[in-house]
Amino acid sequence: EVQLVESGGGLVQPGGSLRLSCAASGFIFSSYWMSWVRQAPGKGLEWVANIKRDGSEKNYVDSVRGRFTIARDNAKKSLYLQMNSLRADDTAVYYCARAVTTFGVVIQFDFWGQGTPVTVSS
Amino acid sequence: QSALTQPASVSGSPGQSITISCTGTSSDVGGYNYVSWYQQHPGKAPKLMIYDVSDRPSGISSRFSGSKSGSTASLTISGLQAEDEADYYCSSYTSSNTVIFGGGTKLTVL
Repeated sequence: EVQLVESGGGLVQPGGSLRLSCAASGFIFSSYWMSWVRQAPGKGLEWVANIKRDGSEKNYVDSVRGRFTIARDNAKKSLYLQMNSLRADDTAVYYCARAVTTFGVVIQFDFWGQGTPVTVSS
Repeated sequence: QSALTQPASVSGSPGQSITISCTGTSSDVGGYNYVSWYQQHPGKAPKLMIYDVSDRPSGISSRFSGSKSGSTASLTISGLQAEDEADYYCSSYTSSNTVIFGGGTKLTVL
């Protein structure tokens, strides 16, 4: 059974940093692109970042590029999101998701974790 | 890039069929057959219901079906059941090599 378990969320002040983690099990982690998707309170879903199977390629939504860094450790079957210079509009539940790819591009997400909440407020 | 356009809410009675639309542009929905639909119950993670416009993952009921015409995709749920009450989101691959989502549709089973 595919399982994705996020951790690391919490309350942080504007301008602060936070590192999210996602522990994967039930599938060959190193064979899949992985992604972070977020959902602001009462709002819709927003793709945040992707990372290739070996970590050699990373993509970001414009609003987080330069502030967030996606990373992975295939030996530990873990995905990470380092979030710096956090802003109030980064407040959201952050989901780890397994990506589905075709011709080397991410097209959808087939399994999701339960999410970890991040609140940016003073 | 703007989110895909979905109706804010739809409703139906048990046993009826409903359809949720998802409108984009030629740069996303209209340009690729990579439209997906996700179901999300309150406080829960999204669940993939339809992928590649009309395919169902293993274990998803045949009551759920998807289609596309031009830049508008649709999710149809037939034989509506109480447990179908949830939020539904569409998504599409885009020409910018990203995935965008719709704003979400709240389905109420009357």
